[in-house]
Amino acid sequence: GAGVSQTPSNKVTEKGKYVELRCDPISGHTALYWYRQSLGQGPEFLIYFQGTGAADDSGLPNDRFFAVRPEGSVSTLKIQRTERGDSAVYLCASSLLAGEFVTQYFGPGTRLTVL
Amino acid sequence: KQEVTQIPAALSVPEGENLVLNCSFTDSAIYNLQWFRQDPGKGLTSLLLIQSSQREQTSGRLNASLDKSSGRSTLYIAASQPGDSATYLCAVKVGGADGLTFGKGTHLIIQP
Repeated sequence: GAGVSQTPSNKVTEKGKYVELRCDPISGHTALYWYRQSLGQGPEFLIYFQGTGAADDSGLPNDRFFAVRPEGSVSTLKIQRTERGDSAVYLCASSLLAGEFVTQYFGPGTRLTVL
Repeated sequence: KQEVTQIPAALSVPEGENLVLNCSFTDSAIYNLQWFRQDPGKGLTSLLLIQSSQREQTSGRLNASLDKSSGRSTLYIAASQPGDSATYLCAVKVGGADGLTFGKGTHLIIQP
């Protein structure tokens, strides 16, 4: 079946602009996660959705970052007033349920470059 | 705060060798530990998931062990092949957190 998909695969923007990154999870997966991976680093957790609600947004670095999942499927990560330090690969993952016994399935990521 | 460390950061070996990748974590109160593979320009692929009550998991030529009390895990790759070349990431899930905590990865090159 189809895996997690993310669009766009690459996004180049200028400092100060607004960007939206989209994630389509595996059909039927109720849990959705966003991570950010900087060059040479492992992914860092940003936010977790269970259904439509953000159950844990403790990893969002500041209030310029926001994410939604209005219908419990597709999610959009929104970044306002982008800064050069926001440049990274943004990864989305989904799992059938949340919990310690469940594997997260990752998408290919969106590479964001802020000039 | 949980910290995950992977050693070595990079490794290059001839094809056919057996090898071990190491992962350590500072807080032993984990729910599970996962090993992922990441190819350039692609997402992460889960290789093995070890629950906190388990000691090891095996899949084909891969074997992962977990010693929760000492905060260590190893990924053993038998009879390495050039197709095994990738970055291998270790991640733990801790209680009270929904996301995974990752190490920086080991960049593995298998020479033909």
